Amino acid sequence: EVQLLESGGGLVQPGGSLRLSCVASGFTFRNYVMTWVRQPPGKGLEWVSAISGYGGATYYADSVKGRFTISKDNSKNTLFLQMNSLRADDTAVYYCAKDTGHIVAVTGPTGADCWGQGTLVTVSS
Amino acid sequence: DIQLTQSPSSLSASVGDRVTITCQASQDISNYLNWYQQRPGKAPKLLIYDVSNLETGVPSRFSGSGSGTDFTFTISSLQPEDIATYYCQQYGTFGPGTKVDIK
Repeated sequence: EVQLLESGGGLVQPGGSLRLSCVASGFTFRNYVMTWVRQPPGKGLEWVSAISGYGGATYYADSVKGRFTISKDNSKNTLFLQMNSLRADDTAVYYCAKDTGHIVAVTGPTGADCWGQGTLVTVSS
Repeated sequence: DIQLTQSPSSLSASVGDRVTITCQASQDISNYLNWYQQRPGKAPKLLIYDVSNLETGVPSRFSGSGSGTDFTFTISSLQPEDIATYYCQQYGTFGPGTKVDIK
């Protein structure tokens, strides 16, 4: 059974940093594109970032480009999202998700067929 | 960038009703369109991929159709457990969602 378990969310002040982690199990982690999707309270879904199986290709939404960095450790089946210069509008539940595709397209993730339970990030003073 | 619009933004229907949601793209997106269900307080779940393909384990009352810029998602007989928000998605873009309630 595919499982994704996020951690690392919490309360952070504007301008601060946070690192999210997602531990994967039940599939060959290095073979799949992995993504982060966020959802502000009461609002819709937004792709944040994606990374190819071996980490050579990445995708970022314009809203986080230059502030967030996605990475992965295939030896530990773990996906990361380093979030710097956080703003109030970054407040959201952040989901780790397994992409349906095997490459990172410039237009963004193909789709997500397995999701974690989400971790809440609150940016507030 | 491609924009996706969904209609209606919300609907209320009775158990057993046929429910239809539309998703319109700002340009031709061929057959690259997925549909997700998000129940209250839960993570999204992929229901349909590439316009009309049912994800494994998804009940057959869910279906999708369309091509080009106009797509349709249908629940043939609404069930109480179908209360959720439904999103269409094409590559890096999600639609705004359609909230489905039971009347």
